[in-house]
Amino acid sequence: DTAVSQTPKYLVTQMGNDKSIKCEQNLGHDTMYWYKQDSKKFLKIMFSYNNKELIINETVPNRFSPKSPDKAHLNLHINSLELGDSAVYFCASSQRGGLAGFGGEQYFGPGTRLTVT
Amino acid sequence: GQQVMQIPQYQHVQEGEDFTTYCNSSTTLSNIQWYKQRPGGHPVFLIQLVKSGEVKKQKRLTFQFGEAKKNSSLHITATQTTDVGTYFCAGTETSGSRLTFGEGTQLTVNP
Repeated sequence: DTAVSQTPKYLVTQMGNDKSIKCEQNLGHDTMYWYKQDSKKFLKIMFSYNNKELIINETVPNRFSPKSPDKAHLNLHINSLELGDSAVYFCASSQRGGLAGFGGEQYFGPGTRLTVT
Repeated sequence: GQQVMQIPQYQHVQEGEDFTTYCNSSTTLSNIQWYKQRPGGHPVFLIQLVKSGEVKKQKRLTFQFGEAKKNSSLHITATQTTDVGTYFCAGTETSGSRLTFGEGTQLTVNP
């Protein structure tokens, strides 16, 4: 059973297009995240949702819009894709990550490798 | 904001040599976590340290949390080719709830 799943695994698209990445977790966790990992392997947090509520919104262009229809799903929509958006995007979830307590261990999805040409 | 720095960024070792990566935070941490990411894979949680001066071992891996709870280290004894990957530390500020990742150390092991 996959704990955190993402689709698609690979995404190749042209500049200016709009694309979405989907994420689902079956761990019953309250908190979900989106990370961007660049070619140097730096992991940068983009967004975090706790029980469908946005709690972390880093300095990310507003072309990126997360949506959490329920606490098991967190999707990422990207408008007007640019070359610099090329990266691996990881979804993750954790049990303790809300404002009440320190972050619990995070479980990562397999990643979506986005290539913008 | 909180910064978590890791050194070295890259480390190449011969199989059988030891390896250490260091993690330093600009602020006091309530906990520190370590993750491993194999090439082409995703980060996988290894361990969490909470107490000042805590030391934990997992087979050939030894994890330490500094007395001041601002630094940590991961030491691997007698590396093997299966140890190849990027090791990340991640810490949570005592005053916050956000987990901040270090830049990672990419380890390669030559057989």
